[in-house]
Amino acid sequence: GESVGLHLPTLSVQEGDNSIINCAYSNSASDYFIWYKQESGKGPQFIIDIRSNMDKRQGQRVTVLLNKTVKHLSLQIAATQPGDSAVYFCAEMDSSYKLIFGSGTRLLVRP
Amino acid sequence: DAGVTQSPTHLIKTRGQQVTLRCSPKSGHDTVSWYQQALGQGPQFIFQYYEEEERQRGNFPDRFSGHQFPNYSSELNVNALLLGDSALYLCASSLGFDNQPQHFGDGTRLSIL
Repeated sequence: GESVGLHLPTLSVQEGDNSIINCAYSNSASDYFIWYKQESGKGPQFIIDIRSNMDKRQGQRVTVLLNKTVKHLSLQIAATQPGDSAVYFCAEMDSSYKLIFGSGTRLLVRP
Repeated sequence: DAGVTQSPTHLIKTRGQQVTLRCSPKSGHDTVSWYQQALGQGPQFIFQYYEEEERQRGNFPDRFSGHQFPNYSSELNVNALLLGDSALYLCASSLGFDNQPQHFGDGTRLSIL
């Protein structure tokens, strides 16, 4: 079936370093992708999105890269801060416009 | 500008009971989607409402039902609760449903005893 997965379940980075979170998706027909951040006890928070006609999109301290050839998505966080510690999910929107989430990557920021 | 709000925040029920969860979408949004999130996992799509109708449904049994009201708010109903229904139930809203960002509330934590 359709699925979105993540390569690394936990990522530990030093404060100030850049973080890269990767995601593989299986549905080549998906046109829209979103990264979410989820802190403990809260709902997923929208970070950034990208459509399939783009390969890169930048926000404030974050960049999303999309490689449709290998069905790979990544989230880059520049100058990682303690407040960035959370679980990050990538999600793809399938052809019926429902979001399919992966299992998430936990980002730990070391002081 | 209020975001997505859900009530209640926590709920404890026993097996066999019925529960209703509520969601108010972000101002200006007309589409509501419901998700179930088990501990340590990503959210799983339950169903989506648009123009007061269920337009899409995930792989959940008929015990899960919903409704959308004219003001775009929504309810999720679960009948004959099972222990496995214990989870965080998330509501997300969007303006339309076609490749639009969905914004989530903080969920209702449902525990079944």
